[in-house]
Amino acid sequence: GQQVMQIPQYQHVQEGEDFTTYCNSSTTLSNIQWYKQRPGGHPVFLIQLVKSGEVKKQKRLTFQFGEAKKNSSLHITATQTTDVGTYFCAGRSNDMRFGAGTRLTVKP
Amino acid sequence: DGGITQSPKYLFRKEGQNVTLSCEQNLNHDAMYWYRQDPGQGLRLIYYSQIVNDFQKGDIAEGYSVSREKKESFPLTVTSAQKNPTAFYLCASSARPGRNTGELFFGEGSRLTVL
Repeated sequence: GQQVMQIPQYQHVQEGEDFTTYCNSSTTLSNIQWYKQRPGGHPVFLIQLVKSGEVKKQKRLTFQFGEAKKNSSLHITATQTTDVGTYFCAGRSNDMRFGAGTRLTVKP
Repeated sequence: DGGITQSPKYLFRKEGQNVTLSCEQNLNHDAMYWYRQDPGQGLRLIYYSQIVNDFQKGDIAEGYSVSREKKESFPLTVTSAQKNPTAFYLCASSARPGRNTGELFFGEGSRLTVL
């Protein structure tokens, strides 16, 4: 069945350093979504990627969808303490599957 | 304000008791979902409904039941048959059911602890 793997599970960075989380699917995806969950909160939608090779930016966040539509990444440039939380990818083929998430902590 | 409301936020129950978690949305969304979140495992789909009076099992439906009598409401019952019910439960909705669903809107979650 469809599986979505996300790495790393945890990432601790110094404020100002960059951060990247990677998502890989066992099947070709029709689209992929990214969510952020702050500590103690609920997931909040960030973005959806649909096209092969698509790249989208939101301020310091860059989202990529692989050419084969089986992998995706989220890159944060110059992290800030407000970036802390868990970032989830959710890949859709027949169903939508969430990755396990990457928990980001930022040291001031 | 439009959104999804889950209640209660925290719930404690004794082993063997059924528990019903409420989820109400005023976004006029057709599709609603229940996810379970455990540490390190992301979100796992319990049940989903794409239209009133219809719902489908997700990946971990055993020990759970749902109903969708109204478009706005999608309550989840955690039955005594669920072997490990302690978890954080998230309800979500989306505007378009099916494969091309847009973003999911999540409620604030219900944290169930079984003693």
